[in-house]
Amino acid sequence: GQSLEQPSEVTAVEGAIVQINCTYQTSGFYGLSWYQQHDGGAPTFLSYNALDGLEETGRFSSFLSRSDSYGYLLLQELQMKDSASYFCAVRDQAYNTDKLIFGTGTRLQVFP
Amino acid sequence: DAGVIQSPRHEVTEMGQEVTLRCKPISGHDYLFWYRQTMMRGLELLIYFNNNVPIDDSGMPEDRFSAKMPNASFSTLKIQPSEPRDSAVYFCASRPSSRREETQYFGPGTRLLVL
Repeated sequence: GQSLEQPSEVTAVEGAIVQINCTYQTSGFYGLSWYQQHDGGAPTFLSYNALDGLEETGRFSSFLSRSDSYGYLLLQELQMKDSASYFCAVRDQAYNTDKLIFGTGTRLQVFP
Repeated sequence: DAGVIQSPRHEVTEMGQEVTLRCKPISGHDYLFWYRQTMMRGLELLIYFNNNVPIDDSGMPEDRFSAKMPNASFSTLKIQPSEPRDSAVYFCASRPSSRREETQYFGPGTRLLVL
């Protein structure tokens, strides 16, 4: 089966660092993606990990460990505009599909 | 590029009416995806196309839902007859054909309310 679990909500203050975890159960996948969605908006791509390790894009970093079935999104120097929902997603390799499976989503609230 | 275009942006209709949602993918993208998002069920894939051909429609909830892609620049998702439980935000997304390109580009969505 395929499932990706995330914490439902995370809160932090401006300037802080927050980590959003994603644990998954799938037999194999091509990589782990992260999307950001502001209230009333559409999901937008943030990062993609094809290989194990850390990928850094500005204030955002994403990490993948296939052996631990685990990944995370790290947001540094938090800003109010980072308040949004964050989704991890995988494309399941076992079914040779182009279908993305999205996680349950984590709502991040940044306070001043 | 204008990005993925969806219309209408908002739709309010009465139960039993037919609803048609429209999507124009990014030019040159060979994949098109229809998603539905609700608080209860999250973001779920309904159907996706590759080169205008439906590949996986296992997420389409029932026969009331149908989707077409008559050409590379246009797709429709139709609900007939609509029911209150169909109320949701419907997103269309597109992606290039390269298997190394995982990014999906989402349209702004259509917010559907069925009364």
